[in-house]
Amino acid sequence: QITLKESGPTLVKPTQTLTLTCTFSGFSLSTSGVGVAWIRQPPGKALEWLALLYWDGDKRYSPSLKSRLNISKDTSKNQVVLTMTNMDPVDTATYYCAHSLFDSGWDWFDPWGQGTLVTVST
Amino acid sequence: SYELAQPPSVSVSPGQTARITCSADALPNHYAHWYQQKPGQAPVLVMYKDTERPSGIPERFSGSSSGTTVTLTISGVQAEDEADYYCQSDDNSGGYRALFGGGTKLTVL
Repeated sequence: QITLKESGPTLVKPTQTLTLTCTFSGFSLSTSGVGVAWIRQPPGKALEWLALLYWDGDKRYSPSLKSRLNISKDTSKNQVVLTMTNMDPVDTATYYCAHSLFDSGWDWFDPWGQGTLVTVST
Repeated sequence: SYELAQPPSVSVSPGQTARITCSADALPNHYAHWYQQKPGQAPVLVMYKDTERPSGIPERFSGSSSGTTVTLTISGVQAEDEADYYCQSDDNSGGYRALFGGGTKLTVL
């Protein structure tokens, strides 16, 4: 059974850097075709994909947020870390990590973690 | 680049068929995937690669694709199907990105 869980601060101040950790079990990030994605959802709004880390170390980022994002992994701990710099109140959202499958050039996300709400405020 | 367009809302009575669409000019060459999100919960994959249903998803969920539109069909809608539904695809033009549609609120009357 694959499970993922997000952890990190619930409140950050504007201009600070957010660091979120996704701790997973039930799969290996060394397995071909596997990845971990980060997706966020502002309150009452749609999902927004942020970043994706593949089994081979390849990293992909949302073009609109690329300059602020970094995704990395600690394979020994079964963790994937997302950092987002220069946080702003508009970044207030529930942040999800998800197991990703890459098949014939296509990615989909299943399952997802429970999500963690991050509020950006002074 | 392209965007995925979904109707904001769809309403059906219990037992009827709900059809939720996702449209984009690029879809004839791209697979789409569908997620169900109930209030306060994380999204759940209900369809992938247009027509593939994950294990554990009821058979009343099906997917289809025609031209620039992919459709998630829920036959014999039940009250528990009331949720937000999002389509998702990939865009490899000018660098990779995954993208989601704006979501469709399915209301079971």
